[in-house]
Amino acid sequence: EPEVTQTPSHQVTQMGQEVILRCVPISNHLYFYWYRQILGQKVEFLVSFYNNEISEKSEIFDDQFSVERPDGSNFTLKIRSTKLEDSAMYFCASRTGAGNTIYFGEGSWLTVV
Amino acid sequence: QQPVQSPQAVILREGEDAVINCSSSKALYSVHWYRQKHGEAPVFLMILLKGGEQKGHDKISASFNEKKQQSSLYLTASQLSYSGTYFCGTESLRRGDMRFGAGTRLTVKP
Repeated sequence: EPEVTQTPSHQVTQMGQEVILRCVPISNHLYFYWYRQILGQKVEFLVSFYNNEISEKSEIFDDQFSVERPDGSNFTLKIRSTKLEDSAMYFCASRTGAGNTIYFGEGSWLTVV
Repeated sequence: QQPVQSPQAVILREGEDAVINCSSSKALYSVHWYRQKHGEAPVFLMILLKGGEQKGHDKISASFNEKKQQSSLYLTASQLSYSGTYFCGTESLRRGDMRFGAGTRLTVKP
């Protein structure tokens, strides 16, 4: 069964460093998402991406965050200058279209020290 | 903008029933239900689309009242494997967006 894959599964980085989280969505999917989940808390929406552009972003997704789809398969989340409070599990998700099931990757656990 | 879930936590004995509610202040196109086990990604349970439907599989079912912008998840004869955090996700009429509620932590004890 096709799945959303994310790398790395865990990354430790120093405060102020740049981090890139990578995702390979399911191949025929058209909508892509990044969510964040701080340990023990809710799943928070960061950004949605459709037709090669951001379709919506939350208040969390400030200038320190960016997303790219550099080729036909990868979807990346970049955090330019990490802060301690960026420590969280970051989930990539994708789906074929509006109203359809969103499939989550296994997540990338980011620890900022 | 995110939906409101209630209750925040439920503790059940095996075989008992539970209802988890999800409500939104915005008109909805769809409601999605997910279950997340500790340390794992959310797993899809079901989608309910605009049109006011009820769905279910096994002993888990859900309803969607689009007029009230509410959805409920029903777990009957709960099993130990039902333990986890249940999230509802709502998609507005604009579509493409998906916001999740704060989650309901369900614990099923023997």
